[in-house]
Amino acid sequence: KQEVTQIPAALSVPEGENLVLNCSFTDSAIYNLQWFRQDPGKGLTSLLLIQSSQREQTSGRLNASLDKSSGRSTLYIAASQPGDSATYLCAVIKGGSEKLVFGKGTKLTVNP
Amino acid sequence: DTAVSQTPKYLVTQMGNDKSIKCEQNLGHDTMYWYKQDSKKFLKIMFSYNNKELIINETVPNRFSPKSPDKAHLNLHINSLELGDSAVYFCATADRRDNEQFFGPGTRLTVL
Repeated sequence: KQEVTQIPAALSVPEGENLVLNCSFTDSAIYNLQWFRQDPGKGLTSLLLIQSSQREQTSGRLNASLDKSSGRSTLYIAASQPGDSATYLCAVIKGGSEKLVFGKGTKLTVNP
Repeated sequence: DTAVSQTPKYLVTQMGNDKSIKCEQNLGHDTMYWYKQDSKKFLKIMFSYNNKELIINETVPNRFSPKSPDKAHLNLHINSLELGDSAVYFCATADRRDNEQFFGPGTRLTVL
């Protein structure tokens, strides 16, 4: 059974800092990995999708890496801003499955 | 133009009632999902439909019944509501090319 763990559960940083959010998964036979952002009371916004054959994806100040063999992904946020404050969720889909398995998220607070 | 929309946004009802949540997407995706986010913010898949056919049913009580009248809609009917059904329900769709998932804004269900 696939399990996804995100560490830390919460993170508070001053504005301008670069930071890394971690995601690990128990079954390396994944099809892809997706990072989402969830603002309080809102839905999920897809940030980055990494296919199992890829090592990283970048979008603006965000960079996500994937190491399938070790069951790990990181989301790097450069020059953090107060507007980045949200909960960040990592989710994986197993090959041959339709099912997205989520971690419990990292709640990020960027202080001005 | 909202890609994935849900109605209603909030739903407050008494125990024992029957209610429905509607989901519509204009992305042209073949696959649609229902997820439940509990009070601890943990997201878990409930159902997935592909081309109006049920693909995943994740040990959800049979009081929950999804219905897909066409490829653009996936509704969730809940009978005999219980206190434990209180949660936020998210609809999502997936692009079959890479399985990237896109979420609706959520429906917050409160059972009194």
